Amino acid sequence: DSGVTQTPKHLITATGQRVTLRCSPRSGDLSVYWYQQSLDQGLQFLIQYYNGEERAKGNILERFSAQQFPDLHSELNLSSLELGDSALYFCASSVARTTGNYYGYTFGSGTRLTVV
Amino acid sequence: GENVEQHPSTLSVQEGDSAVIKCTYSDSASNYFPWYKQELGKRPQLIIDIRSNVGEKKDQRIAVTLNKTAKHFSLHITETQPEDSAVYFCAAFTGGGNKLTFGTGTQLKVEL
Repeated sequence: DSGVTQTPKHLITATGQRVTLRCSPRSGDLSVYWYQQSLDQGLQFLIQYYNGEERAKGNILERFSAQQFPDLHSELNLSSLELGDSALYFCASSVARTTGNYYGYTFGSGTRLTVV
Repeated sequence: GENVEQHPSTLSVQEGDSAVIKCTYSDSASNYFPWYKQELGKRPQLIIDIRSNVGEKKDQRIAVTLNKTAKHFSLHITETQPEDSAVYFCAAFTGGGNKLTFGTGTQLKVEL
């Protein structure tokens, strides 16, 4: 167990639907990062939150949105789903203090989303 | 922003041989370079890392080297075993961007 909890582990839904993926960071970590990994692909950075605020944005589609709540858990919302959105979605957490010093990423086990 | 290139995309070695995976990065401000191992369907796991003030780091059969001038860093695995078979990702961290940029991954297969 890495300490980063992602739910659900698996999700099957139809095209056009909306889903919410949840991530609870490791205790003490302030930053949450979301990555998308399609079949046989690399890790595509979607978005980062630090202590409740959006910090960095990657190639995140307009149909996707995220937020980080006061208790530091984060949710990734995917709407108007398309077949191509089927992927593993990973959440990672780190302390990532404003000094820029790196304190390490810890990945959750991922949510496997299948759009049919 | 930062760009990380990783080669080769696939690598097949015989058990007991060495494997080398190479990465280059573009942002000279990057100061931390971790390597992750990802087994099929599982989460990426950190296996070794190196900071920009160090040229080489070793942990048992795994070593990483960094050439800041050339903006290259490499992962070396010696005496490979079947359980080393996985996808390996390099990454570079830039404090300004405050996030890791990953390479495209190398599928390592260790054959008996």
